[in-house]
Amino acid sequence: AQTVTQSQPEMSVQEAETVTLSCTYDTSESNYYLFWYKQPPSRQMILVIRQEAYKQQNATENRFSVNFQKAAKSFSLKISDSQLGDTAMYFCAFMKIGGNNRKLIWGLGTSLGVNP
Amino acid sequence: DTGVSQNPRHKITKRGQNVTFRCDPISEHNRLYWYRQTLGQGPEFLTYFQNEAQLEKSRLLSDRFSAERPKGSFSTLEIQRTEQGDSAMYLCASSWGSGGSGGTEAFFGQGTRLTVV
Repeated sequence: AQTVTQSQPEMSVQEAETVTLSCTYDTSESNYYLFWYKQPPSRQMILVIRQEAYKQQNATENRFSVNFQKAAKSFSLKISDSQLGDTAMYFCAFMKIGGNNRKLIWGLGTSLGVNP
Repeated sequence: DTGVSQNPRHKITKRGQNVTFRCDPISEHNRLYWYRQTLGQGPEFLTYFQNEAQLEKSRLLSDRFSAERPKGSFSTLEIQRTEQGDSAMYLCASSWGSGGSGGTEAFFGQGTRLTVV
C-alpha cells in the first residue's frame, strides 16, 4: 500500500520570502504521479503542480517548483516570493498509473501562513 | 464550463436520516471520484467511476453508503441512517483519461459539508 507523509503540520513565512514544504512517500510502484494541491480556507482544492515519476526534470509552475528525489521518495514544494494569497493548506498526493486504480493517496497536509 | 459542481453546499441532518449529495463533473471528464475529508485531515478516497462503471470502492464505504453515476454523467452519493461519525466534507472530483494513461489531473468541487446532529 502507498503512504504519503507530510511532517510539517504548520509553517509560516514572511511575504516575499521563500518556503519549502516537505513530503515523503512510500511505494513499490515504478510508474506514478505526484501532486501538490492547495486548499484555501473555505475554498476548493486546486492543483498547484504535478510531477511524473518517469521524468527526471523537476516540475515548475511560475513561483512554485518541486525537488523530486525518486530514490529517496521525497517530493518537496518550494514557493518563491510568497504572497498573502498563498495562505492555505497544502496537500501532497500520490497516484499510481495503470490498471483501474486512479485514486489519490493524500498526506495530512501542511497549513501555510504568509505574514505581511 | 464552470467546473465541478456539488450540491448542496451544506447539509444538516438528524442522526438516522438519509441524505443524498449530487456531483456534476466537468462535462468531458469520464472519471469521477468521491472523497471524504474531516477537519484537519487529508481527503480519504471513497469511490471511483469511469464513465458509468464503479471501478473501485473503499472499505471506508460501509453498507450505508452507495454511489451511482447513471449514464456516466452526474453522480450521487447517498448515506443511509446517518451517524455522527459521518459528519465531514464530501468532495467530488473529475478528470479525463483513457486506457492506462494517468490522464488529466483531478479537478475538485467545493464540497458538501455534512453535519449530523
